[in-house]
Amino acid sequence: EVQLLESGGGLVQPGGSLRLSCAASGFTFSTYAMTWVRQAPGKGLEWVSAISGGGDSAYYADSVKGRFTISRDNFKNTLFLQMTSLRVEDTAVYYCTSPGYSNGWYSYSQHWGQGTLVTVSS
Amino acid sequence: QSALTQPASVSGSPGQSITISCTGTSSDIGTYDYVSWYQQHPGKAPKVLIYEVSNRPSGVSNRFSGSKSGNTASLTISGLQAEDEADYYCSSYTSSSTRVFGTGTKVTVL
Repeated sequence: EVQLLESGGGLVQPGGSLRLSCAASGFTFSTYAMTWVRQAPGKGLEWVSAISGGGDSAYYADSVKGRFTISRDNFKNTLFLQMTSLRVEDTAVYYCTSPGYSNGWYSYSQHWGQGTLVTVSS
Repeated sequence: QSALTQPASVSGSPGQSITISCTGTSSDIGTYDYVSWYQQHPGKAPKVLIYEVSNRPSGVSNRFSGSKSGNTASLTISGLQAEDEADYYCSSYTSSSTRVFGTGTKVTVL
């Protein structure tokens, strides 16, 4: 059974930094591209970033480009999202997702974690 | 990367069929068959219903079906049930090598 468990969320001041983690199990993590999706309170879903299975290719939404960095540790089966220069509008639940087939990040998100809440406020 | 456009709300009676539209552009839905649909109940993570326009993942009811014409994709729910009351989102790959979600549609079962 695929399991994705996010952690690292919390309260941070505007301009601050935070690193999210996603521990994956139940599949061959290193062969699957992974994606972060966020949802502001009471709002819709927003695609944030994706990374290839080997970690050599990364993709970002314009809203986070230059501020967020996606990475992964395939030995520890863990996905990361380093967030810097945080803004109030980055406040959201951040979901870690995996695709239905190995490199299919561009296609769809099959499995979702439970999400971790990031609150950016002074 | 503007969000895909969905109606804010759609409603129907039990047993009826409803269709949710998702309008994009030639830079996303119009060019790529990487359209997916998600159902989200309050306080829960989204669940994929349809991928690559019209494919259902294992375990998803065949009451859910998807299609695409030009820059618009559609999700049809047939035999509407009380448990179908939820928020629904479409998503597409884009020519910018990103994905984009729709604005979301709240489905109400009358």
